[in-house]
Amino acid sequence: ETGVTQTPRHLVMGMTNKKSLKCEQHLGHNAMYWYKQSAKKPLELMFVYNFKEQTENNSVPSRFSPECPNSSHLFLHLHTLQPEDSALYLCASSPQGSYEQYFGPGTRLTVT
Amino acid sequence: ELKVEQNPLFLSMQEGKNYTIYCNYSTTSDRLYWYRQDPGKSLESLFVLLSNGAVKQEGRLMASLDTKARLSTLHITAAVHDLSATYFCAVDPIIQGAQKLVFGQGTRLTINP
Repeated sequence: ETGVTQTPRHLVMGMTNKKSLKCEQHLGHNAMYWYKQSAKKPLELMFVYNFKEQTENNSVPSRFSPECPNSSHLFLHLHTLQPEDSALYLCASSPQGSYEQYFGPGTRLTVT
Repeated sequence: ELKVEQNPLFLSMQEGKNYTIYCNYSTTSDRLYWYRQDPGKSLESLFVLLSNGAVKQEGRLMASLDTKARLSTLHITAAVHDLSATYFCAVDPIIQGAQKLVFGQGTRLTINP
């Protein structure tokens, strides 16, 4: 079991719903990441936060809204999603001075 | 734009055989990572390669890095069923201010008895 936790592990939501994914790490890492993993596609980086500041937004649609209140917590707020947004959403963290990332178990999201 | 390409994307092999997965990348980097993912599970870090010529081994897996050729290999020796998984390589581009890994497509490895 890694030191990165994600909740919920599974989520089914309608296109008009609003939901949030949560990621938490107590590894003392300063950087946190959101990735999307779809079937038949490479792992896609979505957002990077470093010391609570967003340093990367990989052209992600605005229906995905990240929030990083502190270095240990990362949220992904979801609203008016599309069926093609169904995927495994992975959170990761890394310590300062290293880009080796530690991944959480993921949230399996299904948009109906 | 940095591209990372793995070869092959699918590999089915018999127990006891040896095989190699290749990871090519398109820009300068001397930091490369290998991860393993079991079905429905998250990514587990296998190897961190931080310099040209780096070689690391863990059990039946050995990873190496040639930064001049922009190539990393993951070699499997005498495969066993437990090694069935998807393997990803990821490259850390040497870009000032960037802090991200670029992943390959993954190689789905199936080891048959």
